Amino acid sequence: TQLLEQSPQFLSIQEGENLTVYCNSSSVFSSLQWYRQEPGEGPVLLVTVVTGGEVKKLKRLTFQFGDARKDSSLHITAAQPGDTGLYLCAGTYRSRDSGYALNFGKGTSLLVTP
Amino acid sequence: DTGVSQDPRHKITKRGQNVTFRCDPISEHNRLYWYRQTLGQGPEFLTYFQNEAQLEKSRLLSDRFSAERPKGSFSTLEIQRTEQGDSAMYLCASSGTGYSPLHFGNGTRLTVT
Repeated sequence: TQLLEQSPQFLSIQEGENLTVYCNSSSVFSSLQWYRQEPGEGPVLLVTVVTGGEVKKLKRLTFQFGDARKDSSLHITAAQPGDTGLYLCAGTYRSRDSGYALNFGKGTSLLVTP
Repeated sequence: DTGVSQDPRHKITKRGQNVTFRCDPISEHNRLYWYRQTLGQGPEFLTYFQNEAQLEKSRLLSDRFSAERPKGSFSTLEIQRTEQGDSAMYLCASSGTGYSPLHFGNGTRLTVT
């Protein structure tokens, strides 16, 4: 099992602040995905990063994939209450039966207060 | 395309009973995944199908758990002789080929009393 460690586990900030969430592993991943999950719903994909060193931006969210493809970060600028949720990173690897499997980290629970 | 749908949304059962959940994936997706998630944790991988073939099973999946995808379309996950530790959200996801992202359903929340 290829493990992903996310930090911090919990984050409570005020509207307008910036934050960074980290996702680290000792394993190399073929690609890495970030999802956001709200209570009572399934995770929803935010971004996929494939190339080492890749940076992708989605409005106020900036995602970076480490050069060695073992780690990633998510930076949110000027957080808003609507950003509240569980942020999950997930790494893709080739499974034993040559399919593709996805392992999730435990997530970062973000609360943005007005 | 209505996305991935799961049924039921909620299930309360007594310990020792059997339960079965259904997942209908996005129609053109050939991969289907089952995950389990407990409160405050990320989803834990249970099993994965490519078409009707079950390609991988997690060690988390005890002998009481069985999953099928008989025609490569919908899938069922059965838990026999449920235990209180089985209480969790069971998520189904589907995807296309390669590194296609997973599309999740909204899950079935199981409570074992």
